[in-house]
Amino acid sequence: GQQVKQSSPSLTVQEGGISILNCDYENDMFDYFAWYKKYPDNSPTLLISVRSNVDKREDGRLTVFLNKSGKHFSLHITASQPEDTAVYLCAAGENQGGSAKLIFGEGTKLTVSS
Amino acid sequence: DMKVTQMPRYLIKRMGENVLLECGQDMSHETMYWYRQDPGLGLQLIYISYDVDSNSEGDIPKGYRVSRKKREHFSLILDSAKTNQTSVYFCASSLSTGRSAETLYFGSGTRLTVL
Repeated sequence: GQQVKQSSPSLTVQEGGISILNCDYENDMFDYFAWYKKYPDNSPTLLISVRSNVDKREDGRLTVFLNKSGKHFSLHITASQPEDTAVYLCAAGENQGGSAKLIFGEGTKLTVSS
Repeated sequence: DMKVTQMPRYLIKRMGENVLLECGQDMSHETMYWYRQDPGLGLQLIYISYDVDSNSEGDIPKGYRVSRKKREHFSLILDSAKTNQTSVYFCASSLSTGRSAETLYFGSGTRLTVL
């Protein structure tokens, strides 16, 4: 089964609004969580990551919220802009598990309309 | 300049042919990865390599093998390619000295079409 799941394949937000992207995971051992951004015909690049010892991390317009009991994390993008239009991939892995595997979700295509 | 380089960028092969995808990194990263990306499935891990000749299967290794003879170089090999191996293949690397999940640096991808 899919260990990391993004249930919304697409999301459209008005310019200036808040984009909320969601991700669910199954493995209790995951303690590293990340969001990557991918433009068409380009490689994924890391946006923001968080370890399980915090439940929130902010970086400019980006905030990651982590809900370990619910096995859920989300990315909030405030003041969304047309250049935020891209595919967003969530990912999770184990920090202490002796494996560097990073498992990705299916991706959510965000469109910010002006 | 930190970089992961993949060659070739586009490749067309016939079913049954052998395929070699090459990846290099100049960051002295220990860990390297091969993923494939398909619509609706996101990035799926094929193989992970923790160092020279230290390779582990990912989630979908069937039909693939890998080779890592130098730390900076990681190859993905398809012996007798199949049409369902048509995909975009991404190589990545991470520092990961303690075998822990952390930032991946991706190459630009190879779009493979198997006819």
